[in-house]
Amino acid sequence: GQNIDQPTEMTATEGAIVQINCTYQTSGFNGLFWYQQHAGEAPTFLSYNVLDGLEEKGRFSSFLSRSKGYSYLLLKELQMKDSASYLCAVRSSWGKLQFGAGTQVVVTP
Amino acid sequence: SQTIHQWPATLVQPVGSPLSLECTVEGTSNPNLYWYRQAAGRGLQLLFYSVGIGQISSEVPQNLSASRPQDRQFILSSKKLLLSDSGFYLCLTGSGMNTEAFFGQGTRLTVV
Repeated sequence: GQNIDQPTEMTATEGAIVQINCTYQTSGFNGLFWYQQHAGEAPTFLSYNVLDGLEEKGRFSSFLSRSKGYSYLLLKELQMKDSASYLCAVRSSWGKLQFGAGTQVVVTP
Repeated sequence: SQTIHQWPATLVQPVGSPLSLECTVEGTSNPNLYWYRQAAGRGLQLLFYSVGIGQISSEVPQNLSASRPQDRQFILSSKKLLLSDSGFYLCLTGSGMNTEAFFGQGTRLTVV
C-alpha cells in the first residue's frame, strides 16, 4: 500500500518562504504530484516530479528524492492568496494515485 | 489542451435514491481516470481508478460503483444512497503522458 505524511498546518508571514515536506512509502513509484486547494474549490495542479531533483515554476518549486521517499514544495514570496491547503499525492507503477491529508498554510500580514 | 467536464456542480438527493455522476475528458487519449470523495474538512479518499477502457480498480468497499464505457468517460453510480455518501466528489484525469493530472470542478452531494 501507500503511506503519505505531511504536516497538518504551517503559518508564515507575507513575503516569506515556506517549505512543505512530504514523506511517502509506496511499492512501485511512478511520480509525485503537488496540488493547491482553496476552501470549497477543487484542487489545482501545481507540479509533477518523477526524477530526483528540483522543478521550478515561478514562485513554486518542488523537490524529489526517490531513495529517501521525500519531497518538498517550496513557496517563495508568499502572498495572502497562497493561504490554502497543499496536497501531496503519490502514483504507483500500476496507476493508483493516493493523496496525503494536506497541509493548511496560513499566510499572515 | 485538456478539458474536464464534471456535472452537476451541486446535488441534493434523498436517502435510498440512485446516483449517477459523469466525468468526460477532451483533449487527451487513454488517460488515467480517478474518482475521489472529500468529506467536509477532510482529505481526498480514493474511490475508483481506471487505467484503460473497461478496467476499474475499486479502493473502498461501499455501495458505489464505477464504469468506463468509453475511453474518456468515467461514471460513478449508486443504486441506493446513504446519508454517509454526502461529500464533495471529484474526478481526476491524467494527461496523455500522465505527467500532469487535473481535477474537474467537483460535485457537492448532499444526501437528505
